[in-house]
Amino acid sequence: EPEVTQTPSHQVTQMGQEVILRCVPISNHLYFYWYRQILGQKVEFLVSFYNNEISEKSEIFDDQFSVERPDGSNFTLKIRSTKLEDSAMYFCASRPLGNTGELFFGEGSRLTVL
Amino acid sequence: KQEVTQIPAALSVPEGENLVLNCSFTDSAIYNLQWFRQDPGKGLTSLLLIQSSQREQTSGRLNASLDKSSGRSTLYIAASQPGDSATYLCAVRGSYIPTFGRGTSLIVHP
Repeated sequence: EPEVTQTPSHQVTQMGQEVILRCVPISNHLYFYWYRQILGQKVEFLVSFYNNEISEKSEIFDDQFSVERPDGSNFTLKIRSTKLEDSAMYFCASRPLGNTGELFFGEGSRLTVL
Repeated sequence: KQEVTQIPAALSVPEGENLVLNCSFTDSAIYNLQWFRQDPGKGLTSLLLIQSSQREQTSGRLNASLDKSSGRSTLYIAASQPGDSATYLCAVRGSYIPTFGRGTSLIVHP
């Protein structure tokens, strides 16, 4: 069964460093999302991506964050100058074209900022 | 802005009980509602997807219903088992982005 894959599963970084989280969405999906979940809190929307551009973003997704689809298969989230409060689980999700499509999530990348 | 509420926040039951988890949302203009399961430290596994035109969906011991006009969905778990212990999340999608509730943390003890 096709799945969304994310790497790395866990990354530890020093405050102020840049981090890139990678996702390979399901191959025929056209909508991509990044969500985050701080430990013990709800799953929060960061950004959605369609047709090679950001379609929506939340107030969390400020200039510190960027997304890219560099090669037609990978979908990356870059976090510049990480802060302690960026420590969270980051989830990538994808869905096919159409309003009724099911959303599929990856296993997540746990980011720990020290 | 869509608001999604899940009740109860936590539930602890003995094995074998039938359970009802609730999800309510404020804007009924939705395309679909999806129930997920999340094990500790893990990703989100899709359980059931209900389109806005549907009233319910079933998969094994799980049954999800949708009353779009009243902004409610329920997830019914029949004959609960310890392996059902997890957090259950509902996500509502309309013209806006999929919005999650805080989840119901379920513990089923033997």
